[in-house]
Amino acid sequence: EAGVAQSPRYKIIEKRQSVAFWCNPISGHATLYWYQQILGQGPKLLIQFQNNGVVDDSQLPKDRFSAERLKGVDSTLKIQPAKLEDSAVYLCASSLARLGTAAETQYFGPGTRLLVL
Amino acid sequence: SQQGEEDPQALSIQEGENATMNCSYKTSINNLQWYRQNSGRGLVHLILIRSNEREKHSGRLRVTLDTSKKSSSLLITASRAADTASYFCATDRGSGGSNYKLTFGKGTLLTVNP
Repeated sequence: EAGVAQSPRYKIIEKRQSVAFWCNPISGHATLYWYQQILGQGPKLLIQFQNNGVVDDSQLPKDRFSAERLKGVDSTLKIQPAKLEDSAVYLCASSLARLGTAAETQYFGPGTRLLVL
Repeated sequence: SQQGEEDPQALSIQEGENATMNCSYKTSINNLQWYRQNSGRGLVHLILIRSNEREKHSGRLRVTLDTSKKSSSLLITASRAADTASYFCATDRGSGGSNYKLTFGKGTLLTVNP
């Protein structure tokens, strides 16, 4: 089966510019996650969707980050305007987990490496 | 905030040796998972152990869980150069009807020298 797809793989922008990342989860996976992974750290959850609804966005910097998952399939994550500290790898993951059940296995995409200059 | 904390931060061994990585966490969990990340790639799920399990095996991997000590260990036997990667533990600690999500540690960088 096809894995989680992400694009672009790399992006270089200047601070104060905007950027968008795209994710296509594994077919049939109801839950989709966006993580931020700063160099030398583990992934940090930014936002979690269940179908097209937001389950958890408590760690999403909402003044500059936004995400949507229209029709409960693909998702986009946007940063506007970007800051130097946003330089990181942005990982998308999906799983079969449903509310009230354990998270079970998450399947990760290759990530988008963002460099903000 | 980081729930899990891996130890050591970095580990370098020779091919054929065993590698042991540890993970400690702070609050009660439903399950604990280990993931591997090769340089520049996404994470790959290795193994999941539930809170009522004490040990689990998968190929050359052996995971233990001690809920009384809030710790887990990952043992890779007969290591290969291809095992070179960062290894992360992740805890699933959903609480009483709220959504469940994984919280990752900072990882252990394993280098297996040929």
